[in-house]
Amino acid sequence: DAGITQSPRHKVTETGTPVTLRCHQTENHRYMYWYRQDPGHGLRLIHYSYGVKDTDKGEVSDGYSVSRSKTEDFLLTLESATSSQTSVYFCAIQDSLYSNQPQHFGDGTRLSIL
Amino acid sequence: AQTVTQSQPEMSVQEAETVTLSCTYDTSESNYYLFWYKQPPSRQMILVIRQEAYKQQNATENRFSVNFQKAAKSFSLKISDSQLGDTAMYFCAFMFSTGNQFYFGTGTSLTVIP
Repeated sequence: DAGITQSPRHKVTETGTPVTLRCHQTENHRYMYWYRQDPGHGLRLIHYSYGVKDTDKGEVSDGYSVSRSKTEDFLLTLESATSSQTSVYFCAIQDSLYSNQPQHFGDGTRLSIL
Repeated sequence: AQTVTQSQPEMSVQEAETVTLSCTYDTSESNYYLFWYKQPPSRQMILVIRQEAYKQQNATENRFSVNFQKAAKSFSLKISDSQLGDTAMYFCAFMFSTGNQFYFGTGTSLTVIP
């Protein structure tokens, strides 16, 4: 299994509070991703990173920011959480683009915003 | 964004029988990759099988095989000799050959009945 650790695994917080989710990898993969999973929508890309300090927006980036100061860590921040951000969040990593390399996923973080 | 459609929200199959999950996608590109991921109740995302669009031969992985129809933009997953452990949500995913964004379908929930 790919070495991907997401923390925390579960979190409950209140509307308006800041929240940071962490993704840590031990594979030295260049590419890292944050997705959210909601019923009826599958997985949707929030942000991704193609290297240290290099990030870009995905399909549903509003209300989220990311940072990657080290190859192994990719942080997702909700500056002021809203109830619509209640979801399961997945981190994924990928070694290479120019092949059929799949993305490997962490175990997810269940986030509830009350 | 690319469109990936899984038209069967839920399916069931008797243990030891065969089941086919459908997936269609929309693209004007000729080179791309397709994937099926499995998400059991543990929530982990597990790669099941991958297919390169430039390959005419359908991919197989043990009891899992695909029927890739490039002209029809169809990528179905066949599970033979279904086992109880196959009970899971199955996601179809599309990736451009020169990109790093995955586009997921909304998933098919498969239940294997003893």
